[in-house]
Amino acid sequence: NAGVTQTPKFQVLKTGQSMTLQCAQDMNHNSMYWYRQDPGMGLRLIYYSASEGTTDKGEVPNGYNVSRLNKREFSLRLESAAPSQTSVYFCASSEQGQGPGELFFGEGSRLTVL
Amino acid sequence: AQSVTQLDSQVPVFEEAPVELRCNYSSSVSVYLFWYVQYPNQGLQLLLKYLSGSTLVKSINGFEAEFNKSQTSFHLRKPSVHISDTAEYFCAVRSYGGATNKLIFGTGTLLAVQP
Repeated sequence: NAGVTQTPKFQVLKTGQSMTLQCAQDMNHNSMYWYRQDPGMGLRLIYYSASEGTTDKGEVPNGYNVSRLNKREFSLRLESAAPSQTSVYFCASSEQGQGPGELFFGEGSRLTVL
Repeated sequence: AQSVTQLDSQVPVFEEAPVELRCNYSSSVSVYLFWYVQYPNQGLQLLLKYLSGSTLVKSINGFEAEFNKSQTSFHLRKPSVHISDTAEYFCAVRSYGGATNKLIFGTGTLLAVQP
């Protein structure tokens, strides 16, 4: 069982470059999420998709865009990377957006912006 | 608005000693409460959760947490830790019945078990 798969695992960008983080889940979950993790700040929600065809902003959406390509895939795009976006990014999925459903996380994508 | 506070950023402890990781939350409506664990270079995984019913919940590897509504706390405890418990632990809260139902994470507590 692959669960939640993120690519790439590591990426180094220069300021102003663009890139897309890919995420796919094989658990037939309805909801998917992108978080960023920074030291001392825990996990902060960037964007989420409660179901296929919908996306909503989280706590820290500025500088990011997302696409829910289909039920399995949810991508995060940085159009013009900035050093403040240096972080570890986690994709997660859950059976449903509301309620007590468990979140399943990918292994993370470590992004450095120079 | 809901929030989660983990006051201890790091807790050093010797192997086989007991440990408590503290978590307090704030919410004006009812909540679900969670503890997630993150081992080095991995994603988070669910350790245990409180949804309703018994206020004491347990994990398969010996951790337990107690929901205390009056203290708005959900502290995580283990009577005897192992080296393999070294990880970062995140408390999380999801409100329900209110305007927002997003899952909010605390800032995490690094449990460092020493031999």
